[in-house]
Formats: sequence, C-alpha cells, structure tokens
Amino acid sequence: EVQVVESGGGLIQPGGSLKLSCAVSGFTVNNNFMAWVRQVPGQGLEWVSDIRGDGSPYYAASVRGRFTISRDNSQNTLYLHMNSLRDDDTAIYYCAASLLAVGGYDCWGQGSLVIVSS
Amino acid sequence: DIVLTQTPLSSPVTLGQPASISCRSSQSLLNGDDGNTYLSWLQKRPGQPPRLLLYRISNRFSGVPDRFSGSGAGTDFTLKISRLEPEDVGVYYCMQFTQYPWTFGQGTKVEIK
Repeated sequence: EVQVVESGGGLIQPGGSLKLSCAVSGFTVNNNFMAWVRQVPGQGLEWVSDIRGDGSPYYAASVRGRFTISRDNSQNTLYLHMNSLRDDDTAIYYCAASLLAVGGYDCWGQGSLVIVSS
Repeated sequence: DIVLTQTPLSSPVTLGQPASISCRSSQSLLNGDDGNTYLSWLQKRPGQPPRLLLYRISNRFSGVPDRFSGSGAGTDFTLKISRLEPEDVGVYYCMQFTQYPWTFGQGTKVEIK
C-alpha cells in the first residue's frame, strides 16, 4: 500500500528552525518526484519545494535560501529543513508525490502543522 | 510566475445539478518540449489532504468518478461536475506543472445550495 506520513511539526519561535519528515511506504523516494505543499489555515494551497528523481531541488521564492529539501534513500524518507522561520510560514505542510509522473501530485500525506509564533 | 485565476470563488449548487469551475492562466500551459499541457485539478475536503482528480486537463485519476470532467486548452480550462453529490462539497484547485514555480488557483468553494 502506498503511503506517506509527515511528522516534525509543532510550535516554533520566529527565527527558529524545524525539520519536517515524510516517511514513505509502497514506493521509493529516490525514484519519484517528491514535494512539499503548504496551506495556511483558511487559505489556498502553495507549492513550497520539490525534488526530482535525479535529486534536483526546486524552491518557491518565498522559501528559497531558508528551506532545504532532501531525502534519505536508506530511510525512504523525504525531509524539509526549515530555517529562519517567519510568522507567515505558519501552515499545514503536506508531503506529496508524483508517482505516475503525468504532471500532478497523485499521492498526499495528511499534513503536519507548523506554527511560528512567539 | 504563471498566475491561475479561478471563477467563481464560490459555487452553491443544488444536489444532482451540474457545477462548473473556470481556470484561466496568465500564459499558455502548453509545454513546448513535449506538447503536453500540464494543468491538473485537485479537490480539498475539510480536514482531508488534497486529492488529485484530473491531470493533463482531462485525464481522470484512478478512482475518480466519471461525473468529473475537464476540458480546455492553452490558457482556458474548465472543471465540470455533471451531478453534484454530497461528497463533492469542498474546495477545488487548478494547478499548473508547465513552468516553475508550480502555481495553484485561489480555489473555488463548492457547497450545497
């Protein structure tokens, strides 16, 4: 069964750092297009970052230089390292995968809530 | 960045009646390299993660009922629900995968009238 499970969210002060994890089962992170998408409660969806099968990372301008996407093939886990967190980074962060590689994220986790507040 | 504009932002629909959502792009979503148009539609129900409905304009993802259909080309796209069911209540987003950064429309809230 294909599954992605996020963890690592929580309350963090502005300027702090947090690492989100996305444990994957039923497929491998290194062979698939993986991503992080966020949603501020009550607002729309925002693409944050993704990493291609060849390891190339891409970032939204709002997080570039502060967030780093990575993966651990041995743990079959995707990560999002978040530094210099700001109030407007408060959101539910979803891990997503494009397993069919047809131009769409077809597998989503339940999300992990990150609250940046003093 | 490519801007996707959805209309309407809210759509009250009677059960059993059709619903239609438009998504207009600020530039063509036709990928010149492979000839595909990477416009997808997602459904977001309260308390649930997003769910892929359609990819490349009109292709239904596995398990998606055939009452959902997509059409369009270039910069103008439409999602149609032929007969609204109670489980269709939620927010619908278009998303483009043609050019980085990937972008979403603002979302259209579909509710029961």
